[in-house]
Amino acid sequence: EDKVVQSPLSLVVHEGDTVTLNCSYEVTNFRSLLWYKQEKKAPTFLFMLTSSGIEKKSGRLSSILDKKELFSILNITATQTGDSAIYLCAVEAFPSGTYKYIFGTGTRLKVLA
Amino acid sequence: EAEVAQSPRYKITEKSQAVAFWCDPISGHATLYWYRQILGQGPELLVQFQDESVVDDSQLPKDRFSAERLKGVDSTLKIQPAELGDSAMYLCASSFLSDTQYFGPGTRLTVL
Repeated sequence: EDKVVQSPLSLVVHEGDTVTLNCSYEVTNFRSLLWYKQEKKAPTFLFMLTSSGIEKKSGRLSSILDKKELFSILNITATQTGDSAIYLCAVEAFPSGTYKYIFGTGTRLKVLA
Repeated sequence: EAEVAQSPRYKITEKSQAVAFWCDPISGHATLYWYRQILGQGPELLVQFQDESVVDDSQLPKDRFSAERLKGVDSTLKIQPAELGDSAMYLCASSFLSDTQYFGPGTRLTVL
């Protein structure tokens, strides 16, 4: 069965800390991995990763994919209270003739002032 | 910037009633997704459309849920009858073929 597992489930840090969020997956015919940030509404897109070893970066956020070990990490440096959110990992797979996104349960990050 | 539109944003209903949610994807996006997200969990795919055709509805509880996208543009998701366990956020997303999907604001359903 296709699955996406995120860890930790929740995390509390102080402003200025660096955090690393993990996403591992087992899916049929992997196509891409996506990271989303979800505050009190719908998820907003952060990164899409398709190639192993290539870092995607946007400001204080960065992400990298390891297709051999089947995982990705999302790094946030110099965290701010505005980074408090649920971070979702989704894997796009092609299990049976159609593309499908499988989501992890998310990591709930709380950044304290 | 183009966005996925959903309505209503909030819906409170009593169990056994019928509810319907509407989604208008980003113009030109052929693929449309309906997800259900229970508090504390990641989104779970209910149904995926490619134009007007259903390509995946394996997780849709077909005894009470139905979805349509008659003209291949906007879509409606219906629940009849609603049950207490249906309380969740219902998210619509769209993508251009297999590109990144973009989410609408969601409809938060509460069943009393």
